[in-house]
Parts: sequence; C-alpha cells; structure tokens
Amino acid sequence: GQNIDQPTEMTATEGAIVQINCTYQTSGFNGLFWYQQHAGEAPTFLSYNVLDGLEEKGRFSSFLSRSKGYSYLLLKELQMKDSASYLCACMDSNYQLIWGAGTKLIIKP
Amino acid sequence: DAMVIQNPRYQVTQFGKPVTLSCSQTLNHNVMYWYQQKSSQAPKLLFHYYDKDFNNEADTPDNFQSRRPNTSFCFLDIRSPGLGDAAMYLCATSGLAGGPNEQFFGPGTRLTVL
Repeated sequence: GQNIDQPTEMTATEGAIVQINCTYQTSGFNGLFWYQQHAGEAPTFLSYNVLDGLEEKGRFSSFLSRSKGYSYLLLKELQMKDSASYLCACMDSNYQLIWGAGTKLIIKP
Repeated sequence: DAMVIQNPRYQVTQFGKPVTLSCSQTLNHNVMYWYQQKSSQAPKLLFHYYDKDFNNEADTPDNFQSRRPNTSFCFLDIRSPGLGDAAMYLCATSGLAGGPNEQFFGPGTRLTVL
C-alpha cells in the first residue's frame, strides 16, 4: 500500500531551527512536495524534490533520499507566522499526490 | 492576479439537503481537483478532471458528483449530505496531468451539516 508518515505535532522556539521528517512508501515515485497550511486555509506550495539532496529556498530547505524513502523540511530562524501544519505529499507513478496527515508546528516565543 | 477562487467560503446545509460548491480558476490550467479535508487529516482526493476527462477515485461515494462545464469552472455537488460530510472542500489546479506540477489551491469551502 501507499503510506506517508510524519509526526503529528512539533513545538519549537522563535528564532530556532526545526526539522520535520517524512517517510514514504508509494507505488512509483515522481517527486515529493512540501506544503504549508495555516489553520482554516488552503495549502500553499513550499518545495519540490525529485533528486537526492538538499534544496534551499530562503529560510526553508528540503532534503530527499530516495533510497531511504525519506525527506525532511528544515525551517531556520523561526518566526511566529511559521506556526502552521506542514504537509508532505508524494507523487506516485500515476502523477497523483499521496498526502501525509501533516505536522502541526507550534512556535513559542 | 491569476488564482483559484472558491465560493462560498462557508456553507451550512441541513442533513440530506443538496448542496453545490463552486470553483473557478484564472490560471488556464488543464487539471482541476476536488479534495475533502477533515480536521488534522490529509486531503483526500475525490476526483479530478484532465480537461473534460473525468476521473473518479474508487472510494469516492456516489453521493458526490462533479461537473466541469468549461476550463475555468468546476462544481462539486453533494446530493444528500450526511453529518460525516462536514469538512473543508478544497479545489486545486495544475498545469498538466502526467507531470510533476505543483497544485494551486483555492481557499476552500468549509461545509457544516446540521
């Protein structure tokens, strides 16, 4: 079966760094997406990885290891506005997104 | 600005009373998706269109129907809403099926069933 696992909730301090992990098992693989979703709002695109390695985009970076079925999202210099859910989603062999349930990130002052 | 619009943002209906949710896009994208998302859960794909080709997920209940009269508009019809259908309904678009394109989401419609 297809499965995406990520922690349910994480807490971090403003200004700090946090890493949100995601492991996946899918039928085929055409890349992994990270989306940010604030409470009551739609998901917004953060990153896409299809090759192994780290993709950096400002304060956010995303890493992929295809051999391990593993990705992480790294958030640096955390700000209060980063409090949100972070959704990991894999694109399978049919180019359909398989979604994780999301990691709720709580930022404390 | 190019965008995905959903109306209404909040919809209240009574148990068993049909309801229609609408989505429009100015991105001129070929693919449109409808997702159901319940609190603290992953978005669940209900169906998607590639142009006018309709693709229904195997586990989408018959109670849910969809129409796409043209490229810009897509509708979700819930024929007889039950209490379990209360959720956020998300419309999304992407540029091309069969490719690793990001999906652009509308703001969602939160459905309450009384």
